[in-house]
Amino acid sequence: KQEVTQIPAALSVPEGENLVLNCSFTDSAIYNLQWFRQDPGKGLTSLLLIQSSQREQTSGRLNASLDKSSGRSTLYIAASQPGDSATYLCAAATDKLIFGTGTRLQVFP
Amino acid sequence: KAGVTQTPRYLIKTRGQQVTLSCSPISGHRSVSWYQQTPGQGLQFLFEYFSETQRNKGNFPGRFSGRQFSNSRSEMNVSTLELGDSALYLCASSFQRKSYNEQFFGPGTRLTVL
Repeated sequence: KQEVTQIPAALSVPEGENLVLNCSFTDSAIYNLQWFRQDPGKGLTSLLLIQSSQREQTSGRLNASLDKSSGRSTLYIAASQPGDSATYLCAAATDKLIFGTGTRLQVFP
Repeated sequence: KAGVTQTPRYLIKTRGQQVTLSCSPISGHRSVSWYQQTPGQGLQFLFEYFSETQRNKGNFPGRFSGRQFSNSRSEMNVSTLELGDSALYLCASSFQRKSYNEQFFGPGTRLTVL
């Protein structure tokens, strides 16, 4: 049974810091690994999708890596801004998305 | 292109009632999946519909059901509501089946059961 874990559960940092959010999964038989952002009371916004054959994806200040053999993915946020404050969720894609519990990020000015 | 839309956005019901939630996928998307989000259990998969057929189902009781119409719009129904059904219900659409395609989520329906 696929299980997805995210560390840390919460993070509070000053503006400008570079951040690393971690996601681990127990079963390497995944189609892809997806990262989402969720603002309070809102739906999910897709950030990055890494196919199982890929090692990383980049979008602006965001970079996500995938290491299937070790069951890990990392989301790197460069030069954080207060607008980055949200909950970040990773999801392992099998026949459905299995979500982690999220990392709640607060970036203060 | 319009995103995924869900109606209603908020619902308040009492125990024992039933409720129907609606999801309209992105134009051209044929797969719709439903998820339940609660503070205790996080995001959990309910079911997936493709071409008007349920293709996959999560571990939820039979009180949770759904359907998909020929225009790919989907509805989910919860009968005999319980307090524990209070949650944010999210639907996601994708072009093809299964989660190897990027999934686009709607804003959700917040259901409160009193």
